[in-house]
Parts: sequence; C-alpha cells; structure tokens
Amino acid sequence: AQKVTQAQTEISVVEKEDVTLDCVYETRDTTYYLFWYKQPPSGELVFLIRRNSFDEQNEISGRYSWNFQKSTSSFNFTITASQVVDSAVYFCALRTTGNQFYFGTGTSLTVIP
Amino acid sequence: DGGITQSPKYLFRKEGQNVTLSCEQNLNHDAMYWYRQDPGQGLRLIYYSQIVNDFQKGDIAEGYSVSREKKESFPLTVTSAQKNPTAFYLCASTSTFSTDTQYFGPGTRLTVL
Repeated sequence: AQKVTQAQTEISVVEKEDVTLDCVYETRDTTYYLFWYKQPPSGELVFLIRRNSFDEQNEISGRYSWNFQKSTSSFNFTITASQVVDSAVYFCALRTTGNQFYFGTGTSLTVIP
Repeated sequence: DGGITQSPKYLFRKEGQNVTLSCEQNLNHDAMYWYRQDPGQGLRLIYYSQIVNDFQKGDIAEGYSVSREKKESFPLTVTSAQKNPTAFYLCASTSTFSTDTQYFGPGTRLTVL
C-alpha cells in the first residue's frame, strides 16, 4: 500500500526563523517519485520539487532545501529565514509506477511578522 | 501559455441540482484527475482518466460522474446524489511517463445553498 504521512498539521513560526516540514512515505515499489507542493490562500497547488527514488542527494533552491533519506522513508522540506509569503499549506506526494498520486494531509504553515 | 484552466472559479448550487465543473488542459497530457478538498483537509481523489474514453473511480466517486471525450477536457458533474458537495475542487493532469509531475488548475469552489 502507498501512503504519505505529514504528522504536523499546523506550524507557526516568527519571520526569519527556519522551519522544517516532515514527510514520511510508505511504498514497496523500488522506483518512485516524491513531490512537494505549496498551496497559497488562492488555492492552486504550486509544484516545488520532484525527487526520484534513486537520487538521495539533498537539494537546495534559494531558501528552500529538501532532505531525502530512503533509510527512514522521509523527504523533509526546510525553509530557511522564513518570510510571510511562505505562509501556505504544503503537501508532500508520492507517485509510484502507476499514474496515481498519493498526497499527505498537508501542513499549514503560518509565518508571523 | 500551457496550463490547466478550471471554470467557474466560484459556483453556487441549490440542493437537488446537478452542476458541471469544467477542466481544460493544453499540456498534451494523457492523464487527468479530479480531487476534492474540504477545509483543513488534504486532497481526496474523485476520478481519474489515463486515456480518452476511459476513466476510473477514485476514493470518493459516489455522487459524481465524469466524461473524457477529448484529451484536453475532463468535466466533472456533481449530481444531486452527492450528499455534501460543498468543497473546493481541483483538477490536475500529468503525462503518463512515470517521471512526470502532476500540475494543477486554480480550482473551483462549489457552495450548495
């Protein structure tokens, strides 16, 4: 069975603090893809990153970084020096060999000015 | 510009009425999806289609119907059999290459009066 768990329902941080959003996944497939999406108040899900199961290198994009660890089935997302514009709901997702995507329940991040 | 469009952005319906939500994409994607999102909740899959004239039920298909007569279009009908249709509806698409990302439309917010 495929499953994505985002245990943190809501997180609040003060602007400029760093924050890490956790994502744990379950799959028996050896080939799979992991994603992070951002959902701002407008509602549209915005794609942030895709990572395949064979690439465990961490990735950094500006203030965003991702830590993929197969040993713990985790794909965590860190925002450095958070800003008010980072306030949104963030979803982690898993795609295996089929065309179905499995989403976590999302983490609502509030950055307080 | 390539993308996914959903219309209308806001939709109001009286109880007992059927209503159809539009989803169009010009990304040349084969697979299309409908998700439902309730306040503070994650995404739940309603229906998906991997090819024209074919579609499969997702986790919460009861009270909904779809069609896929054209590659670009995947309309969703919310029928009167859906007991609690007030929600945010998101349409998405992806290519059938397993590496590809799922992209989302801006969503339709349906309210039953």
